[in-house]
Amino acid sequence: EIVLTQSPVTLSVSPGERATLSCRASQSLRKDLGWYQHKPGQAPRLLIYDASKRATGIPARFSGSGSGTDFTLTIDSLEPGDFAIYYCQQRDYWPWTFGQGTRVDIK
Amino acid sequence: QLRESGPGLVRPSETLSLSCTVSGGSARKTYWSWIRQSPGRGMEFIAYIYNGGSANYNPSLKSRVTMSADMSKNQFSLRLTSVTAADTAVYYCALGSWLMDFWGRGTLVTVSS
Repeated sequence: EIVLTQSPVTLSVSPGERATLSCRASQSLRKDLGWYQHKPGQAPRLLIYDASKRATGIPARFSGSGSGTDFTLTIDSLEPGDFAIYYCQQRDYWPWTFGQGTRVDIK
Repeated sequence: QLRESGPGLVRPSETLSLSCTVSGGSARKTYWSWIRQSPGRGMEFIAYIYNGGSANYNPSLKSRVTMSADMSKNQFSLRLTSVTAADTAVYYCALGSWLMDFWGRGTLVTVSS
């Protein structure tokens, strides 16, 4: 089973600043990695697929990059609605797996 | 557009049964899945069905889980047998074309006597 390790566990950022989140895989992936945003009590929201493609309706301030075992989600100019938990997920190997999440909170 | 339903409390050793009702255009998505989240294990894929075919199960749960789908009714279901406290989690249904584009809000299932 592929293990995804996200860092940091918690990231404190001021509104308007940039957040950089990391996801490292236990073995090399093709590009089948995505990122989700999750707020308490709400349905998770797909942000990025294929490591770097934005899902429908996702603002350009969200961007994804990376390949192999190291992937990054960057959120530029954080807005109040961006404070949430972010998960990466791989679907190269079944069972598909998630990272443990990075909580982005207000500094 | 996705709504999970089922009992919020299940007794140990019994069977957990959940349903997911899909509405709107999301029903056209080809991957239908069940995912759960618990403090101990984080988010975990349980099973998925691709394009109305056979279910694929997480090997860690395969001996206890059954997923089925009725595409004509836009519904799919999950059964997990012989539950223990370790199965206490928020259970989500989700759909996608590749990754999971649409999710329900989740339903908390507690396993306790």
